[in-house]
Amino acid sequence: DAGVIQSPRHEVTEMGQEVTLRCKPISGHNSLFWYRQTMMRGLELLIYFNNNVPIDDSGMPEDRFSAKMPNASFSTLKIQPSEPRDSAVYFCASSWRQASGNSPLHFGNGTRLTVT
Amino acid sequence: AQSVSQHNHHVILSEAASLELGCNYSYGGTVNLFWYVQYPGQHLQLLLKYFSGDPLVKGIKGFEAEFIKSKFSFNLRKPSVQWSDTAEYFCAVTRSGTASKLTFGTGTRLQVTL
Repeated sequence: DAGVIQSPRHEVTEMGQEVTLRCKPISGHNSLFWYRQTMMRGLELLIYFNNNVPIDDSGMPEDRFSAKMPNASFSTLKIQPSEPRDSAVYFCASSWRQASGNSPLHFGNGTRLTVT
Repeated sequence: AQSVSQHNHHVILSEAASLELGCNYSYGGTVNLFWYVQYPGQHLQLLLKYFSGDPLVKGIKGFEAEFIKSKFSFNLRKPSVQWSDTAEYFCAVTRSGTASKLTFGTGTRLQVTL
């Protein structure tokens, strides 16, 4: 099992540019989560999908952020236009979400985004 | 909505010292509890989890955690830490019986010195 795969590992971009982060969840998992990690705010849940459908996007900071999951094996998080305050490590995680809510998350290695 | 508090933000210990990291959650119903570890430059990995049954849960690398329902706590412990335990530790909670999202605490950075 290759685990959750994120790309790119590092992204450096200028303010105003569009950034797209990619995630491939573990095969068979039906839930996918996007988290942002910063020193100031720790780990924040941005959005999560269940069976490719967005369930809760209340953590998405503003309209500049959007996420899609066109199929069970791929998701993107897009920031347009990017701003320096978006600099963070973005983690994707997946799980086999059961009604009991007791499935642990499996995290990818993250994308370190730097917006200058 | 549930929330998680980790009061120790930064802990420094010498090797072989005992460790206890605090975690408290706020939710009146039944919960599932997790501890994750993030080694420097790496992603989060599951240390241990509690769903039901024995409130003392044993995880990997000699870690354990005790669920005390009356205190809404799930503290992480290790009798003797090693330098390789230097990492950030996150407590997380989700409500039982629902496919709800996992809520993380702000993390505790553990530094083990030789």
